[in-house]
Amino acid sequence: AQSVTQLGSHVSVSEGALVLLRCNYSSSVPPYLFWYVQYPNQGLQLLLKYTSAATLVKGINGFEAEFKKSETSFHLTKPSAHMSDAAEYFCAVSGSGNQFYFGTGTSLTVIP
Amino acid sequence: DAGVIQSPRHEVTEMGQEVTLRCKPISGHDYLFWYRQTMMRGLELLIYFNNNVPIDDSGMPEDRFSAKMPNASFSTLKIQPSEPRDSAVYFCASRSYNEQFFGPGTRLTVL
Repeated sequence: AQSVTQLGSHVSVSEGALVLLRCNYSSSVPPYLFWYVQYPNQGLQLLLKYTSAATLVKGINGFEAEFKKSETSFHLTKPSAHMSDAAEYFCAVSGSGNQFYFGTGTSLTVIP
Repeated sequence: DAGVIQSPRHEVTEMGQEVTLRCKPISGHDYLFWYRQTMMRGLELLIYFNNNVPIDDSGMPEDRFSAKMPNASFSTLKIQPSEPRDSAVYFCASRSYNEQFFGPGTRLTVL
């Protein structure tokens, strides 16, 4: 079975500060891991994905995430937050099945 | 490609009425998923299809909900009769090799 836990339903950072959104996964098989972003009144858009290649994955808009098997984590980071990064972020896991299991989401607020 | 297309984008209806949500997946994608998103429950998987066949409908909340996929390019999610607690944003997504592509969603309000 697969699941993800996102720590912190709301995160606030100052513009220019580091963004760190936490995701821990549970999977009985080697996982595929994803981060999606949802802007207001829009659907979910893929930021990046881990599919068992490089453990450090770079995505769009300057985001990256590192797969750490020992910590069962896949945290999302961005060195410098921009106002346009304000959105809802979802971590998801997919294993040997066909379903994606989404976390409950983290709302990111960027303070000017 | 135009991406996943959903219609209508907004739907306001009265309790007891039938509601039909529509989805056109990305061409060539063999999986289609229906999700519901609310503040209280987050993103919930309702049902998914593989090659037009329903695989898992365990997330469908009640018999009032039904979904069909008559062909590879079209799916519907129907609620009959609708209730105020069905108010939510409904997303359709299609999948290509370990990546899901989401539509813009249908915001349903049941009065």
